[in-house]
Amino acid sequence: DAKTTQPNSMESNEEEPVHLPCNHSTISGTDYIHWYRQLPSQGPEYVIHGLTSNVNNRMASLAIAEDRKSSTLILHRATLRDAAVYYCILRASGTYKYIFGTGTRLKVLA
Amino acid sequence: GAGVSQTPSNKVTEKGKYVELRCDPISGHTALYWYRQSLGQGPEFLIYFQGTGAADDSGLPNDRFFAVRPEGSVSTLKIQRTERGDSAVYLCASSPRATDSTDTQYFGPGTRLTVL
Repeated sequence: DAKTTQPNSMESNEEEPVHLPCNHSTISGTDYIHWYRQLPSQGPEYVIHGLTSNVNNRMASLAIAEDRKSSTLILHRATLRDAAVYYCILRASGTYKYIFGTGTRLKVLA
Repeated sequence: GAGVSQTPSNKVTEKGKYVELRCDPISGHTALYWYRQSLGQGPEFLIYFQGTGAADDSGLPNDRFFAVRPEGSVSTLKIQRTERGDSAVYLCASSPRATDSTDTQYFGPGTRLTVL
C-alpha cells in the first residue's frame, strides 16, 4: 500500500497561512493525492484531491511537486475552526479504500 | 441533505458480549465502508460494500467481526465475544461510486465502543 509521511504536529497563528507538507516518494503514476481532516470527536471530512496539477477549492489549495513525490496543503488564512488532524492519503486508480497514516495535528493559536 | 449517521454514538459492553453497530449511509450511495480508529491513530480499513455484497473484507481482524448490508443501504457491523482490545471508534463512510479514484468518501461521526 502507498505510504505517506507527515509531521506529527504543526502550529499556526490565526489569520496566517498554513503549509502542511506530505512526502510520498513511492507514489505511482496512477495514485491520486487526497487530503482529509478530522476535527475533534468527528469523522474525517474531505478537503481536496489532485493528480498532477495544483488544485484550488473553497477550503484549501493543493500544491503538487513536479515529480509528484511530495505535496503541500495550503490553508490561506487559518481560523480556530481549522484545528484538526490532517491526513494525506494516496489512492490508486481503481481502488476504493483509504490507507490513513497518523496525520498532522494542526494547532491554531488565537 | 442528511449525512451519514451511526448509532449508537456510544456503546459500553462487557468482555465476551455481542454488539451491533449500525450505519445509515447517504441515500443513493452504492459504496459503504467501515473503518476502526484507535486512540491517536488514523482510521484503519475494515470492510467495503458495493451494493449488498462485501467486495473486500480483508481488513476485518478475525472471524469475530462480521458486517452485512442486506438491502444495499443500511449496514450493521457485528462483533461477537468482544475483547478489551476491540475498544475503539468505529467509523462508517459512504460514497456514490467507489471505484472512481476521485470519489469522495463521506464519514459518519462514529460509534465509540468501550469493552470493559
